[in-house]
Amino acid sequence: ETGVTQSPTHLIKTRGQQVTLRCSSQSGHNTVSWYQQALGQGPQFIFQYYREEENGRGNFPPRFSGLQFPNYSSELNVNALELDDSALYLCASSLVGQGDGYTFGSGTRLTVV
Amino acid sequence: AQSVTQLDSQVPVFEEAPVELRCNYSSSVSVYLFWYVQYPNQGLQLLLKYLSGSTLVKGINGFEAEFNKSQTSFHLRKPSVHISDTAEYFCAVRPANQAGTALIFGKGTTLSVSS
Repeated sequence: ETGVTQSPTHLIKTRGQQVTLRCSSQSGHNTVSWYQQALGQGPQFIFQYYREEENGRGNFPPRFSGLQFPNYSSELNVNALELDDSALYLCASSLVGQGDGYTFGSGTRLTVV
Repeated sequence: AQSVTQLDSQVPVFEEAPVELRCNYSSSVSVYLFWYVQYPNQGLQLLLKYLSGSTLVKGINGFEAEFNKSQTSFHLRKPSVHISDTAEYFCAVRPANQAGTALIFGKGTTLSVSS
């Protein structure tokens, strides 16, 4: 079975720009979650998608948005980038009904300058 | 709402010594509990999880954890650590039996194993 893959692995953007991060879910999983991990911190929940709709959101502003596609892959979009958006962005996929099946990708390291 | 407190930000130990990484949680509902490990420049790997049943949970790489409901703790232990165990460790919780809820993570504990 394939794991969760994220692209790109590293990215440098300028403040004010927009960025799109991509995630391919593990085979058989139908839910995808995104987390932001600032340096030296634990991951913070951004949002979760199930059946192509957002069904949970953490304390992040609307300029953080996402999509889930019919093949369960997902995108995270961040508009009007700020310096504090610099972080590791982690994608996790799971199967609804399973309490434990979170599989994480290796993340995208975003640096905003 | 749930919260997780990892009581030690850094734990230095010598190789082959035992180690305990402490985790306390707060929740008004029943929870599932997890420990993840993160090696440098990598994502999170599940070490072990508690969903229900036996309070002593065994995971990968020789790690185990004990769920203590009265003390709202889920401490991670290993009887003998290796250099390769050097990594960041995260404790996480989520509400039990509630689909669509997110994992809530602690701030992490850096385990440094030296020879």
